[in-house]
Amino acid sequence: QSALTQPASVSGSPGQSITISCTGTSSDVGSYNLVSWYQQHPGKAPKLMIYEVSKRPSGVSNRFSGSKSGNTASLTISGLQAEDEADYYCCSYAGSSTFPVVFGGGTKLTVL
Amino acid sequence: QVQLVESGGGVVQPGGSLRLSCAASGFTFSSYGMHWVRQAPGKGLEWVAFIRYDGSNKYYADSVKGRFTISRDNSKNTLYLQMNSLRAEDTAVYYCAKDLIAVAGSFFGWADYWGQGTLVTVSS
Repeated sequence: QSALTQPASVSGSPGQSITISCTGTSSDVGSYNLVSWYQQHPGKAPKLMIYEVSKRPSGVSNRFSGSKSGNTASLTISGLQAEDEADYYCCSYAGSSTFPVVFGGGTKLTVL
Repeated sequence: QVQLVESGGGVVQPGGSLRLSCAASGFTFSSYGMHWVRQAPGKGLEWVAFIRYDGSNKYYADSVKGRFTISRDNSKNTLYLQMNSLRAEDTAVYYCAKDLIAVAGSFFGWADYWGQGTLVTVSS
């Protein structure tokens, strides 16, 4: 059910801002404000960074922000830090009664 | 503090079965939906199954439908994943995760606490 498109990799230097895109369709990202983002460091469990497009769970740095325009959602990380280097996955509600969630294939963020 | 501890992973032959368990503590287990998510070696995340807080609704990825069964015992604060007819492509680290929202009626894919994962290897 991997239906959202993410770039395979992005990179940035410390202190910079980067944006990771997540493109879906009018049936998922475009129809619902229910996009989430996960961060995963190698060998570790994923961590929820953003839900409901732009909300941050308790404890997540405000350097992480989410937005959506049309069928594309975005995760922006400002003031890039070395510890931000990780894989990032997006996820969206899609309304299907059988399996209502679709997700992206992941983006590898490299901090130069 | 919230803790999720998976167990039951191991090596199994193709066609075999395994039952994973996830012992939960530190929160009101019966109030939260629970997820099973897997990650094959070097691959991305794949949501396997979700069960509503009261067990009334269950969702399965197409890749496991008919072979895997998610269940929960709220009296034991434990989540299960029964895996039958295992295939090589089921080889992965399996994570259990707690849903973000209490007594949520829907499955949005929001999981705020995760276990450490248990490795399932399907090989002859």
